[in-house]
Amino acid sequence: ETGVTQTPRHLVMGMTNKKSLKCEQHLGHNAMYWYKQSAKKPLELMFVYSLEERVENNSVPSRFSPECPNSSHLFLHLHTLQPEDSALYLCASSQDFTSGSGSYEQYFGPGTRLTVT
Amino acid sequence: GDSVVQTEGQVLPSEGDSLIVNCSYETTQYPSLFWYVQYPGEGPQLHLKAMKANDKGRNKGFEAMYRKETTSFHLEKDSVQESDSAVYFCAPSALDTGRRALTFGSGTRLQVQP
Repeated sequence: ETGVTQTPRHLVMGMTNKKSLKCEQHLGHNAMYWYKQSAKKPLELMFVYSLEERVENNSVPSRFSPECPNSSHLFLHLHTLQPEDSALYLCASSQDFTSGSGSYEQYFGPGTRLTVT
Repeated sequence: GDSVVQTEGQVLPSEGDSLIVNCSYETTQYPSLFWYVQYPGEGPQLHLKAMKANDKGRNKGFEAMYRKETTSFHLEKDSVQESDSAVYFCAPSALDTGRRALTFGSGTRLQVQP
């Protein structure tokens, strides 16, 4: 595998279900991100992890719970979601801004298309 | 308010037309500048970048100049092709002190007519 992978690619869940989205990066990066993409807000940053520590949480409801067990893996745990949470969830990775590398472009996975019924 | 403003909505040039997609940003910092492109069914991918003032990013006939004096990074192409149809996002880095992520514009959908 190369780049950033996400599983599953598609997910349909009821409002009472619990599910998890998985992201894995094979680029040697030390920062990972979750974004929500919908028609209303094209690229909405949710969470940022740097060196496995959460460094940014953009007022995301607690029904979304991220987890970063190591620098290559990122999860988004979902529970009691609402229909308005239906969207494309994108994972990305990059070198951390504090690394001094000067190159902070993010590399995205293909996304998980989530539908909440 | 928005920190990044780019051409709103959809742009519908014909094949062979020239293209400008505007991007302006507000910052007191000195960001790196990126354009991302997203094709249907895929995540955004880096299209081109510029790291400092007067740098010009180039890719597949597209260009964007880092203009520090006007805080702009407009995307240009002399002659668009149907295969250029996609959504384009302008994304400066670190617009705010302590902000560790890119700030994405609202996206511009380019639909090139045959």
